Amino acid sequence: NAGVTQTPKFQVLKTGQSMTLQCAQDMNHEYMSWYRQDPGMGLRLIHYSVGAGITDQGEVPNGYNVSRSTTEDFPLRLLSAAPSQTSVYFCASSSPGQGSPLHFGNGTRLTVT
Amino acid sequence: QQPVQSPQAVILREGEDAVINCSSSKALYSVHWYRQKHGEAPVFLMILLKGGEQKGHDKISASFNEKKQQSSLYLTASQLSYSGTYFCGTVSQGGSEKLVFGKGTKLTVNP
Repeated sequence: NAGVTQTPKFQVLKTGQSMTLQCAQDMNHEYMSWYRQDPGMGLRLIHYSVGAGITDQGEVPNGYNVSRSTTEDFPLRLLSAAPSQTSVYFCASSSPGQGSPLHFGNGTRLTVT
Repeated sequence: QQPVQSPQAVILREGEDAVINCSSSKALYSVHWYRQKHGEAPVFLMILLKGGEQKGHDKISASFNEKKQQSSLYLTASQLSYSGTYFCGTVSQGGSEKLVFGKGTKLTVNP
């Protein structure tokens, strides 16, 4: 079982560059979300989706775009990278319903210089 | 709004007990607990739904006080493998399914 797959694992960007972090899951989960993790800040929710075609903002959405055209994929786009976006990014998914656990991907470590 | 976790860090000797607390200013539907080891992704421990239930998983258990919007994670007879950062995540009542995490509690278990 692949579970939640994130690519790439590591990425270095220059300020102003754009890129897309990929996230795919093969568990037919309706709910998907993106978090960023910074030292001392915990996991902060960027965007989330409760199904294909439906997305919503989390706690720290500025500078990030998402779309959900299929159940399996939930890419995160940085349109113009900034040093403040240096972080570890986790994608997670779960079944419908609030009693379902999140399954996390292995993370993407992004550095913006 | 992130739930508030306390303490921020705790150091134990093997066999000792610990309690990690999580509180929210919002009415909660559920509380999740996860453990993350250094350089790895968070791993699910348990979920508590509104209703004040208590759950257990080996020597790790948790409670959820719906009236106070508080949850506590109990680690008894700690083992070296319990070391890591523990996160609580909360889903608020009101329809949104989004899960918001606290800042974490770093637990170190020494021999």
